Amino acid sequence: EIVMTQSPAALSVSPGERATLSCRASQSVSSNLAWYQHKPGQAPRLLIDGASTRATGVPARFSGSGSGTEFTLTISSLQSEDFAVYYCQHYNNWPLSFGGGTKVEI
Amino acid sequence: EVQLLESGGGLVQPGGSLRLSCAASGFTFNSYAMYWVRQAPGKGLEWLSAIGGSGDPTFYADSVKGRFTISRDNSKNTLYLQMSSLSPEDTAVYYCAKAAGGAFTPWIGYWGQGTLVTVSS
Repeated sequence: EIVMTQSPAALSVSPGERATLSCRASQSVSSNLAWYQHKPGQAPRLLIDGASTRATGVPARFSGSGSGTEFTLTISSLQSEDFAVYYCQHYNNWPLSFGGGTKVEI
Repeated sequence: EVQLLESGGGLVQPGGSLRLSCAASGFTFNSYAMYWVRQAPGKGLEWLSAIGGSGDPTFYADSVKGRFTISRDNSKNTLYLQMSSLSPEDTAVYYCAKAAGGAFTPWIGYWGQGTLVTVSS
């Protein structure tokens, strides 16, 4: 089973600032990686698949990069609605797995 | 509009069983793989199981293999998760989710709102 590790666990930023979130896989997952946003009381939302392809309707301030074992989600200029928990998920093989999440807070 | 509505959650005693259901609408149900994901209190998301559009193949996380069974009834547009030998560690919000694309797309495009399962005596 591939273990996904996210860092940091929590990130304090101010609106308008840049946020950089990391995700590491215990073995190569190629570009088979997705990112999700999860707000309290809401269903999670797909942001990125294929490590760098934004899902439909996702603002351009969200970008994903990386391949192999190291991945990054960047939010270029944080808006108030971006404060949430972000998860990476590999889909290179079965079983799938999520990282532990990064909480982006003020 | 895609809608996924989970039901069947509640309080169950350790060692007990429970069946979750997920009623789907707004898309051609049998054309999409479906998933179950859970979130324990104060914890992150945990992928549990997946099923192909026709009912196979199926896949499970090691943590639930042999205890949980995923199934679907395409005539009713409904996904199921049969859970047995439940322990307090299975206490979580359980989410039903739809693949982001056709075939067996292994990432999730839509999620339900979740149903809470509490395992306690």
